[in-house]
Amino acid sequence: VQLVQSRAEVKKPGESLRISCKGSGYNFPTYWITWVRQMPGKGLEWMGRLDPSHSYTIYSPSFQGHVTISADKSISTAYLQWSSLKASDTGIYYCARHEGVVPSPPGGLDSWGQGTLVTVSS
Amino acid sequence: SYELTQPPSVSVSPGQTARITCSGDALPKKYASWYQQKSGQAPVLVISEDSKRPSGIPERFSGSSSGTMATLIISGAQVEDEADYYCYSTDSSGYHRGVFGGGTKLTVL
Repeated sequence: VQLVQSRAEVKKPGESLRISCKGSGYNFPTYWITWVRQMPGKGLEWMGRLDPSHSYTIYSPSFQGHVTISADKSISTAYLQWSSLKASDTGIYYCARHEGVVPSPPGGLDSWGQGTLVTVSS
Repeated sequence: SYELTQPPSVSVSPGQTARITCSGDALPKKYASWYQQKSGQAPVLVISEDSKRPSGIPERFSGSSSGTMATLIISGAQVEDEADYYCYSTDSSGYHRGVFGGGTKLTVL
């Protein structure tokens, strides 16, 4: 099982961005994918979760309306997207796979991507 | 919103037992999992479903849960166990929204 994320990005406030997470070594559509933020020097924050097979998503209230989580199951890839970045979006973003197959409730996060550093600065 | 509470830091000497706690109102009904994050690295699952140890994780790592508190136990902590540890669980909303604890810095010296 492997999750490979897209490279680091440097953006200006107000710009849009989409980062990706490609799964391999398992049946991608059948496992929940979660996105996690880690701001510089801070802890892990759960952003939201995706059922790649049905594109069903659930967001943390803290991120609802500011990011969009999606997937293209045909290429085993999940996405995290912003339409208008803020400086406070600066951080490392991880994708992670949940134990247990959809539609069972998501279990622990048993495989993680390497992280994508997003820097938003004018 | 739902919160999980961890102590900011725990310190032990090598060979001692480290206990890191995680408290949350939904833990009597929801599993907790634990993650180790070393500096500059992605987190790694060390305990799932309160007490299950994934393959490849040393036997000195164990977990338990009772009432509103889950505990990560490192028996005979090693210097290489020094890291940040996070608990994770879900809320009781029916949507299984995830939440991480604030993290605990484990110092082994």
